Amino acid sequence: GENVEQHPSTLSVQEGDSAVIKCTYSDSASNYFPWYKQELGKRPQLIIDIRSNVGEKKDQRIAVTLNKTAKHFSLHITETQPEDSAVYFCAVLANAGGTSYGKLTFGQGTILTVHP
Amino acid sequence: NAGVTQTPKFRILKIGQSMTLQCTQDMNHNYMYWYRQDPGMGLKLIYYSVGAGITDKGEVPNGYNVSRSTTEDFPLRLELAAPSQTSVYFCASTLRDAPTEAFFGQGTRLTVV
Repeated sequence: GENVEQHPSTLSVQEGDSAVIKCTYSDSASNYFPWYKQELGKRPQLIIDIRSNVGEKKDQRIAVTLNKTAKHFSLHITETQPEDSAVYFCAVLANAGGTSYGKLTFGQGTILTVHP
Repeated sequence: NAGVTQTPKFRILKIGQSMTLQCTQDMNHNYMYWYRQDPGMGLKLIYYSVGAGITDKGEVPNGYNVSRSTTEDFPLRLELAAPSQTSVYFCASTLRDAPTEAFFGQGTRLTVV
C-alpha cells in the first residue's frame, strides 16, 4: 500500500518567518495531495490541495508544490502568525486503477509552533 | 448543514466492554470513513463505505465492525474493548471518491482502562 513520510515532526518559527513541511510518498500512481490543519482538540480541516497535473498552487499565504518525479510535495506558509500554530497533516489519495474510493493515507503530522 | 456529527465526544470503557460510536452526515455524501488517530501519529483508516449496504476494511480493521444501513449513518462498533483501542476516532465523508475534500466530524476521544 501507499507509504507517506512527513518531516519534520516539529517545527518552531518566529512570527513572520516562513515554514516548510515536506512529504514523500511511494505510489507513483497517486494523483491527489491534500493538506489538513488540526488545531488542538479540533477536527482536521482542509487548507489546500493539489492534483497531479499541477506543479504548484497558492492560496494567500499558503502554497503547495508537487514534484511527481521525485514523489514529494511540500507545504509552504509565509509570513507565519501565531494562529498558524497547529498540527499539519499531508495526505495522499491513491489511484489504484481509478478505484481509490476516496481513501487517504496520512503522514505522521508536523506540530508547528509560531512564537510571537 | 451540520456537516459530520459524531457522538459521544468522550468515553471511558473498561476492558472487555463494547460500545458504538455514532456518525451521521447531512451532506448527502456517498462515501464515509472511520479513522483513528494515535498520539503523535497520523490518521489510519479503519473502515470505509461507498454507499448504503456496502462496507470494506481499511488499514486497521481488527477489533471493529461497521454497518451502513442508510446514506446518512455510519456507526462504528467496538467489541471487547482493549487498551490498544485507546485513541481519538474521526468519522469523515466525501461527496464522491476523489479528488475532493473530506469533511471530518469533531472526533471521539476513547480511553480503555
